[in-house]
Amino acid sequence: TQLLEQSPQFLSIQEGENLTVYCNSSSVFSSLQWYRQEPGEGPVLLVTVVTGGEVKKLKRLTFQFGDARKDSSLHITAAQPGDTGLYLCAGERQAGTALIFGKGTTLSVSS
Amino acid sequence: SAVISQKPSRDICQRGTSLTIQCQVDSQVTMMFWYRQQPGQSLTLIATANQGSEATYESGFVIDKFPISRPNLTFSTLTVSNMSPEDSSIYLCSVVAGATYEQYFGPGTRLTVT
Repeated sequence: TQLLEQSPQFLSIQEGENLTVYCNSSSVFSSLQWYRQEPGEGPVLLVTVVTGGEVKKLKRLTFQFGDARKDSSLHITAAQPGDTGLYLCAGERQAGTALIFGKGTTLSVSS
Repeated sequence: SAVISQKPSRDICQRGTSLTIQCQVDSQVTMMFWYRQQPGQSLTLIATANQGSEATYESGFVIDKFPISRPNLTFSTLTVSNMSPEDSSIYLCSVVAGATYEQYFGPGTRLTVT
């Protein structure tokens, strides 16, 4: 059983389109982290959300943590080819413990 | 944040041999983790390696196959022993740093076993 369900698994869109990636669980997490990984590199931390209902913005990326701290979403506005990559959500049951990863969303943005 | 380096960045190994992967951090950290990422997959935790105690392994991973050392607060090694093609993966170390317990990853070691 996958503790963190991430969807969609693959997304191929045109430059300028908007998209949302979802990360859902039946478990409560103390925090949820979003990473972006490019081929041949390790995951790079984009944001950490800690408080239920929290919304964080990083340029064209908007991250939201569900009120019950069981789910999160990543919304990208006006996607660009540079956004192409693997997006991973990861939950932390307790602060400082190992992360539980979703299966990832492979995003391809074409110009 | 933390800056993490791994050696080697990639290797091609014969089945039955062993490879030791090094993870170096630019600051002292207590919590360090080793993950595996199989081709086209997400990350799976292998073990937690805290300095001063033995590594704690996740279900499906054993010390004889993946021995870990953590001699100090900035360094750790993971050995992949008696390798088979199924061990072909990217191996990543990560550390917890910062006041909000954020986790940072090394660049990974891409292992191919032939």
